[in-house]
Amino acid sequence: LAKTTQPISMDSYEGQEVNITCSHNNIATNDYITWYQQFPSQGPRFIIQGYKTKVTNEVASLFIPADRKSSTLSLPRVSLSDTAVYYCLVGDNSGAGSYQLTFGKGTKLSVIP
Amino acid sequence: DAGVTQSPTHLIKTRGQHVTLRCSPISGHKSVSWYQQVLGQGPQFIFQYYEKEERGRGNFPDRFSARQFPNYSSELNVNALLLGDSALYLCASSYPRGADTQYFGPGTRLTVL
Repeated sequence: LAKTTQPISMDSYEGQEVNITCSHNNIATNDYITWYQQFPSQGPRFIIQGYKTKVTNEVASLFIPADRKSSTLSLPRVSLSDTAVYYCLVGDNSGAGSYQLTFGKGTKLSVIP
Repeated sequence: DAGVTQSPTHLIKTRGQHVTLRCSPISGHKSVSWYQQVLGQGPQFIFQYYEKEERGRGNFPDRFSARQFPNYSSELNVNALLLGDSALYLCASSYPRGADTQYFGPGTRLTVL
């Protein structure tokens, strides 16, 4: 079973750029990498998705190297409201023919005033 | 458009009982996934259904079962509840399938006493 690895926690001051990296082995050829944000007692909220190289939207950027064994979520100029847990999600096709979707353990980002 | 909806919002059961959780996907989405999230941990994959067929299954006992209906809504059933089944149960829908963008519902908080 493939695993994903993220830092358990990160602290940042308001206004700084934050980069969170996720390592993921055995990603399926056709799978995308997706990052989610989750506040307590709520469902995860989609942030950004990519397949290779760089993707940017209005809230974040996603950097994926050519081997696709990792990805880095970049949050520009974080604010207090960005305090949350961030997860990366990839498809995991290593489980004896079944198709499993694996969340990372999540990175708890704390933004400090 | 309405997002993913789940019912009920909260549920309290006792050990040994059975529970049914319901999920309605976003209109046009044909894939539904179920996750269990224990407090303080990341969501754990339970099932994925696509076009009414099971596409993937996580490492959960046979007490957990699910199905998808012709209108793409889904039910998660858990039999013989244990204290350890207490968790937030999340439903996510996507189109077409796999680790593509998944949109999560607010979850059902299940407490087993």
